[in-house]
Amino acid sequence: SQQGEEDPQALSIQEGENATMNCSYKTSINNLQWYRQNSGRGLVHLILIRSNEREKHSGRLRVTLDTSKKSSSLLITASRAADTASYFCATGGNAGGTSYGKLTFGQGTILTVHP
Amino acid sequence: GAGVSQSPSNKVTEKGKDVELRCDPISGHTALYWYRQSLGQGLEFLIYFQGNSAPDKSGLPSDRFSAERTGGSVSTLTIQRTQQEDSAVYLCASSPSVDGNTIYFGEGSWLTVV
Repeated sequence: SQQGEEDPQALSIQEGENATMNCSYKTSINNLQWYRQNSGRGLVHLILIRSNEREKHSGRLRVTLDTSKKSSSLLITASRAADTASYFCATGGNAGGTSYGKLTFGQGTILTVHP
Repeated sequence: GAGVSQSPSNKVTEKGKDVELRCDPISGHTALYWYRQSLGQGLEFLIYFQGNSAPDKSGLPSDRFSAERTGGSVSTLTIQRTQQEDSAVYLCASSPSVDGNTIYFGEGSWLTVV
């Protein structure tokens, strides 16, 4: 079963707008990661945020983590047509447990950015 | 190579036949993972290797599925007596450390069982 649940399932925006995707999870985590997938093929790692972090930035990406609400959000600013892809959150490990990269993925958000 | 390499990239097989999917991880990566992505189930963990041993194979859906890793490098996922529900993209990933915080995925092998 998928631990992560993402919303929205699909998001359609215009180039230049910001895109926000949300992810919720159920159990305690060591970290939460966001991945991007183009055309149903390989996953590309975007960013990892650890359970003791609240916010992280990477270029046009901003990720927040609220462990009290068991939720995370991914913000893509100034979106481009090339950002069109599916975006997945994934949780790994349990706090205090051994994490070995066994990831539990959400169902993903399909982002379409119109030129 | 620079990334995780998988072959074949696409495979069409007849129901009941066996298939082998190959993964060549990034050189030096000790951890290797197989995941499956299908329309109905999303992305699912199948098996994890640390070196040549598989401490966690809890995600393998049935005894028709097996995997091995040799020389701490290449891994093969074998599906015996394929069924139509095995149709999916099989993704391999590797990471340099046991905690697996940064995991690198291959492009996947798209399996279609007809």
